[in-house]
Amino acid sequence: QSVLTQPPSASGTPGQRVTISCSGSSSNIGSNTVNWYQQLPGTAPKVLIYSNTQRPSGVPDRFSGSKSGTSASLAISGLQSEDEADYYCAAWDDSLNGYVFGTGTKVTVL
Amino acid sequence: EVQLVESGGGLVQPGGSLRLSCAASGFTFSSYGMNWVRQAPGKGLEWVSYISPRGDSIYYAESVKGRFTFSRENAKNSLAVQMNSLRAEDTAVYYCARVRGPTVTVQWLDLWGQGTLVTVSS
Repeated sequence: QSVLTQPPSASGTPGQRVTISCSGSSSNIGSNTVNWYQQLPGTAPKVLIYSNTQRPSGVPDRFSGSKSGTSASLAISGLQSEDEADYYCAAWDDSLNGYVFGTGTKVTVL
Repeated sequence: EVQLVESGGGLVQPGGSLRLSCAASGFTFSSYGMNWVRQAPGKGLEWVSYISPRGDSIYYAESVKGRFTFSRENAKNSLAVQMNSLRAEDTAVYYCARVRGPTVTVQWLDLWGQGTLVTVSS
């Protein structure tokens, strides 16, 4: 059972903005940085956002991350069909002494 | 080419053992911490273990502690996990992933292998 909670699904039409939340606690998001991963169907995950807000080279600036207290969010602006994927937040948990993933959110482009 | 390639997956009976390997290439393997992450069929990602660049610090998920042993051989650019006392709930695709970041607690996974499937069933 994951300690980071995400909504199971989110959706939008092409061009819309979609936001995914990630709720944690003081031992994970409250203490450490948050990362976001995108997993396209049948493929390995790929880092989308690291250290709360940073985008690796090659990731479009349509993707942005934020963090406040014990929660974090991923925003996808200008939604595109290729954004249909599962998205996971993650952070180190000081109490568990391990890296924890969120429950995952499936994004559907209508 | 910078890549990670897992191998060793397969079908094993409950209570059995299996050894997975991860071969790294295209980067200085000994400079990076490494994680194992697994994903049960149709389920989310679950972190399994972190091993430091020199292999002198290892963190395990509670779900595998005492049953899985993690190691690395930097001279061979390889990572391994010896899985014993396997259970049905260990059935998953196992990924190795490269760790980036200044500390263990500020880390992200920037390079993933394609994964290897472990199925525990009689």
